[in-house]
Amino acid sequence: QTVVTQEPSLTVSPGGTVTLTCASSTGAVNGYFYANWFQQKTGQAPRALICATGVKHPWTPARFSGSLLGNKAALTLSGAQPEDEAEYLCLLYFRDEWVFGGGTQLTVL
Amino acid sequence: QLQQSGSGLLKPSQTLSLTCDISGDSVSNDRVTWNWIRQSPSRGLEWLGRTMFRSQWWSHYAASVRGRLTIAADTSENRFSLQLSSVTPEDSAMYFCARERNGGHWDDPESWGQGTLVSVFS
Repeated sequence: QTVVTQEPSLTVSPGGTVTLTCASSTGAVNGYFYANWFQQKTGQAPRALICATGVKHPWTPARFSGSLLGNKAALTLSGAQPEDEAEYLCLLYFRDEWVFGGGTQLTVL
Repeated sequence: QLQQSGSGLLKPSQTLSLTCDISGDSVSNDRVTWNWIRQSPSRGLEWLGRTMFRSQWWSHYAASVRGRLTIAADTSENRFSLQLSSVTPEDSAMYFCARERNGGHWDDPESWGQGTLVSVFS
């Protein structure tokens, strides 16, 4: 069974930069995995941030960016704000199957 | 817009049936896929499966539910459905229908179905 792995938790200082990653148990992640990133705050529905590796939605703050980093998909937050504290989930495509990662709990402190 | 319907209270071994009515698009649109996703505290977000029309109808399922799950389109009603058989308490979750546009462009969850809370208990 395919597994998508994210850091369980990360901490970033206000104004700082942090990169969250998303790895596949099948090997290196590339553009054909169409990585999507979602943000979920406590008690709220998820919101989509990034689709197709690096495409931002119209509402995605400019400080968020998606990319490939080494053999993983990555979400970089540059200039963290207190309101960015949330869980971040990635979603990868594996030939007719999508798999969510377990999520990264990001603390802004 | 996606509107879900179906019963969310079941006993173990029963079959969960949900429907997602589509407005503003066609279930036969060959540039999108129609998906079911669930979320629970224990399992997080979990993609369950999809159906899509590409010259013919295709359905694909997550390994975790393959063999128990059927997703099908109803072109006459412009909707798609989920049937999950032999449910257990582990299947208790909030279930959502959602659209993905070709190339991995998932709609924002605000555009997903409104969610159906499914509880399986004896």
